[in-house]
Amino acid sequence: KNEVEQSPQNLTAQEGEFITINCSYSVGISALHWLQQHPGGGIVSLFMLSSGKKKHGRLIATINIQEKHSSLHITASHPRDSAVYICAVRLWAYGGATNKLIFGTGTLLAVQP
Amino acid sequence: DGGITQSPKYLFRKEGQNVTLSCEQNLNHDAMYWYRQDPGQGLRLIYYSQIVNDFQKGDIAEGYSVSREKKESFPLTVTSAQKNPTAFYLCASSAPEAPLDRPDTGELFFGEGSRLTVL
Repeated sequence: KNEVEQSPQNLTAQEGEFITINCSYSVGISALHWLQQHPGGGIVSLFMLSSGKKKHGRLIATINIQEKHSSLHITASHPRDSAVYICAVRLWAYGGATNKLIFGTGTLLAVQP
Repeated sequence: DGGITQSPKYLFRKEGQNVTLSCEQNLNHDAMYWYRQDPGQGLRLIYYSQIVNDFQKGDIAEGYSVSREKKESFPLTVTSAQKNPTAFYLCASSAPEAPLDRPDTGELFFGEGSRLTVL
């Protein structure tokens, strides 16, 4: 079983729909990243969070540390949101946060006009 | 603008050849990383460097080598010992803190990637 699991693997939505992508993890973490990878391959960081909720524009990220679960929501989805969304966790080890990241396999989102 | 530049974007290699992928950053970051991405798998860490003249093996370092002679540069060499080198390679760097204009994004920055194909 992977230490970071994302669901769904693939998601097709109509423009305007509310989208949720889920991430579950089984290790101790200091932070969780949501990343966006466009078809060209480059990756940009959307959020880093260690508790609660963060919002930027139409994107909202939440994390529940006790349940080891995070969600990325996209409101009023648009075709330009089409990309792979990747969840990555930063491991927590004895002594504190580490620089080691474990990545999920990504969710391929296609938003149709 | 500050960022990470990887080159080349596409590279073809014959079996038995070594190739070097370039990664340059002007973000003044101490930490740099090389990841490999294969279809259906999460990114896997090849090597990382926390400071100039120091680097550590990641989870899949066999068949790869790196150097960190300058803070802004972290080249990756894919050697002939790497049995399955065809993949997408991503370089990343991280700062101690997130940028002031986007505090929610965290401190992790990626390049555009290099796609290596072995013929």
